[in-house]
Amino acid sequence: DIQMTQSPSSLSAAIGDRVTITCRASESILGFVNWYQQKPGKAPQLLIHTTSTLQSGVPSRFSGSGSGTDFTLTIGSLQPEDFATYYCQQSYVTHSFGQGTKLEIK
Amino acid sequence: EEQLVESGGGGLVQPGGSLRLSCAASGFTFSDHYMDWVRQAPGKGLEWVGRARNKAHNHMTEYAAPVKGRFGISRDDSRNSLYLQMNSLTVDDTAVYYCTKGGGYYMDVWGKGTTVTVSS
Repeated sequence: DIQMTQSPSSLSAAIGDRVTITCRASESILGFVNWYQQKPGKAPQLLIHTTSTLQSGVPSRFSGSGSGTDFTLTIGSLQPEDFATYYCQQSYVTHSFGQGTKLEIK
Repeated sequence: EEQLVESGGGGLVQPGGSLRLSCAASGFTFSDHYMDWVRQAPGKGLEWVGRARNKAHNHMTEYAAPVKGRFGISRDDSRNSLYLQMNSLTVDDTAVYYCTKGGGYYMDVWGKGTTVTVSS
């Protein structure tokens, strides 16, 4: 099984900050990584698929990069609605998720 | 609008018991898509449960290790429905179960989830 390790597990940031969340796979997954946002009590929503493709309707302040085993999600300028938990997911061999990064307001 | 609605949870199941969840799809051509189940235990992260591939891939099913041999996924393309049969339930199976529309690579539509509680 492919393990996905996210860091940090939690993060405090202010409105307007630029934040980066990283995800490392236990083996190469080429570019098959996706990112999801989940708000409390809600289902996750797809933000970015296949490393860097923004899902329709997702603001351009979100971006993704990486290849092989190391991937990043960057939020360019935090907005109030961005405070949530973020998950990476690999889809190279079935699926597995990272443990999540909770983004909180500083 | 693409939509998924789960049902079948909401009650209490005893350890060792069984439960069948359903997922009704609308707004897209169900038979074209892989469909997955993902769960989330209280206060925990997301865990992939398994999937049923599309008709072109013979509806092949795949499962995560913790549920393999206990859970079964099926689909009825004529009813635009996905199912999760859960047997030999343990307290560790307590979670919100989400039905998702996948293309094999990412999950772009999620249901609101249905809660499964396993407790004596």
